[in-house]
Amino acid sequence: EVQLMESGGGLVQPGGSLRLSCAASGFTFSNYWMHWVRQAPGQGLVWVSNIYSDGSATGYADSVRGRFTISRDNAKNTLYLQMNSLRAEDTAVYYCAREMGASHSNGAVFDSWGQGTPVTVSS
Amino acid sequence: ETVLTQSPATLSLSPGERATLSCRASQSVNNYLAWYQQKPGQAPRLLIYDASNRATGIPARFSGSGSGTDFTLTISSLEPEDFAVYYCQQRQHWPPLTFGGGTKVEIK
Repeated sequence: EVQLMESGGGLVQPGGSLRLSCAASGFTFSNYWMHWVRQAPGQGLVWVSNIYSDGSATGYADSVRGRFTISRDNAKNTLYLQMNSLRAEDTAVYYCAREMGASHSNGAVFDSWGQGTPVTVSS
Repeated sequence: ETVLTQSPATLSLSPGERATLSCRASQSVNNYLAWYQQKPGQAPRLLIYDASNRATGIPARFSGSGSGTDFTLTISSLEPEDFAVYYCQQRQHWPPLTFGGGTKVEIK
């Protein structure tokens, strides 16, 4: 069974940092592109970032580029999101999501999601 | 950025009724459109990908159609567990990947 479990969220002051983790199990993690998607309270889904299966390339939404860094450790089956210079508008539940097909074979379609980890940026 | 506009924002229906949800893209996304269902406190669940393909384990009452800029998710006969928020998502033009604003299907 595919499982994704996020951790690392919490309350942080504006300008602070957090590192989110997403532990993967039940599939060959190193074969899949991975993504982070966030959802502000009462709002819709917003794509944040993606990373290739081997970590060789990444992508970011304009709103987080230069502040957030996505990475992965395929030996540990873990995805990360380093979030720096946090702002109030970064307050959201952060989900990690797996693409449906290995090696990006079905494109950016998300068939597996974690339960989410909440991040609150407030003084 | 490709903007996805979902309508209506809220759909009030009774169990057993047919639900028709719309997603319109600001530019053609070919058939690279997916639909997700989200219930309160839960992660989204993939229903439909590439406009009309049901994901694994999704009941046949869910169907998707459309191409280019206009897409529809149809639930043929609403079950109690179908009352939720539905999002469309395009993967033709990215980054950024974009989602629609969602349609809430509520019990009338």
